[in-house]
Amino acid sequence: QLHLQESGPGLVKPSETLSLICSVDGSSINSGSYWGWFRQPPGKGLEWLGNLYPGGSPYYISSLQSRVTISGDTSKNQFSLRMISVTAADTAVYYCARVQPADYYMDVWGKGTTVTVSS
Amino acid sequence: QSALTQEASVSGTVGQKVTLSCTGNRSNIGNYEVGWYQQISHGTPKTVMVGNSLPSGIPDRFSGSKSGTTASLTISGLQPEDEATYYCSTWDYIVIGVVFGGGTKLTVL
Repeated sequence: QLHLQESGPGLVKPSETLSLICSVDGSSINSGSYWGWFRQPPGKGLEWLGNLYPGGSPYYISSLQSRVTISGDTSKNQFSLRMISVTAADTAVYYCARVQPADYYMDVWGKGTTVTVSS
Repeated sequence: QSALTQEASVSGTVGQKVTLSCTGNRSNIGNYEVGWYQQISHGTPKTVMVGNSLPSGIPDRFSGSKSGTTASLTISGLQPEDEATYYCSTWDYIVIGVVFGGGTKLTVL
């Protein structure tokens, strides 16, 4: 059974860099699926941040493209999210998920990790 | 403003049939299957429907359909545990990304 687990600091200072890791257990990140990051600000809906494509270039949401990097580490079977120059607007619950390539739907989600941007 | 349009809220009584809708356009719903995600009390999203396919473990009172650029999630025989916010999403080839609806808060009366 596939499990995804997000990890990273719960508090980041404004203008600093947010770094999160999604550890994958039960499938290889090179299995042919895509792997995505999502977030949900307090009281708001879900937002896609980007997808990692094994052997290809990641896709990012256009509004954050200059600040976000998603990369994979096959030796640890995990993928990561890096967001630079964070502000309070980046405060959210961050989720990782497996994205099925056929129709880009998410079939397995991590439990999410809360990130607060505050000094 | 979300790329996909969902009702803000829907309510129904136990045992009733309710249908949630998700409207997009040709660049998204018109060309791709729609995923539906249940989120109870801001917890972890759970995939309850992909197109008209039911993921393993999801009760068969959930069903999905699509007509043109509108997808629907129907719950037949509403149960108290179905009370949640439901999000639809799919790929958009113009945006080149995954797009979501704003979510429908389903209340079971």
